Amino acid sequence: EAGVAQSPRYKIIEKRQSVAFWCNPISGHATLYWYQQILGQGPKLLIQFQNNGVVDDSQLPKDRFSAERLKGVDSTLKIQPAKLEDSAVYLCASSFLGDTIYFGEGSWLTVV
Amino acid sequence: AQSVAQPEDQVNVAEGNPLTVKCTYSVSGNPYLFWYVQYPNRGLQFLLKYITGDNLVKGSYGFEAEFNKSQTSFHLKKPSALVSDSALYFCAVRDSGAGSYQLTFGKGTKLSVIP
Repeated sequence: EAGVAQSPRYKIIEKRQSVAFWCNPISGHATLYWYQQILGQGPKLLIQFQNNGVVDDSQLPKDRFSAERLKGVDSTLKIQPAKLEDSAVYLCASSFLGDTIYFGEGSWLTVV
Repeated sequence: AQSVAQPEDQVNVAEGNPLTVKCTYSVSGNPYLFWYVQYPNRGLQFLLKYITGDNLVKGSYGFEAEFNKSQTSFHLKKPSALVSDSALYFCAVRDSGAGSYQLTFGKGTKLSVIP
């Protein structure tokens, strides 16, 4: 069974530029999550989708971050404009309802 | 609100010795508890989970964890450590009664197994 796919794996951008990350969840997983992991910290939930709908985006900095889930499958997370403090790993994950959450390899963002 | 504490930033253990990585949690309802491992430049890999039933849970790569409700703990253990076990370990919790399925993670414990 294929796992959660993410791209790009690594990205370096200058502050105030924009970046987009893509995620394809495990087939059949209706629930999709984006987590942010800053170096030395545990992952923090940014947004959770259930099919097409947003379940929780309370910790998403909406002035610069946006996310969408197309047709209940793939998802894109965008940052515009980026700040230095956005340097982190962006982890996409999926689950079948409330079952175990499985993570992708992550997209590593460096803002300079 | 739910929270996780991993009191040790780093744990060092000699190869072949038993290892323990500590985790305590706080939830308002019944907990679902998880351990994940992260190798350098990789995502999080699921190790094991406690949902209900037997307090001793066995998982991947010889790891196990013991759920202790009275102490609100879920410590990760392995009888004999391998150098390849060196990685970052995360404990996570969610409230079984919560409508959202999201996990709350601890800050992680770096495990170093010394040859």
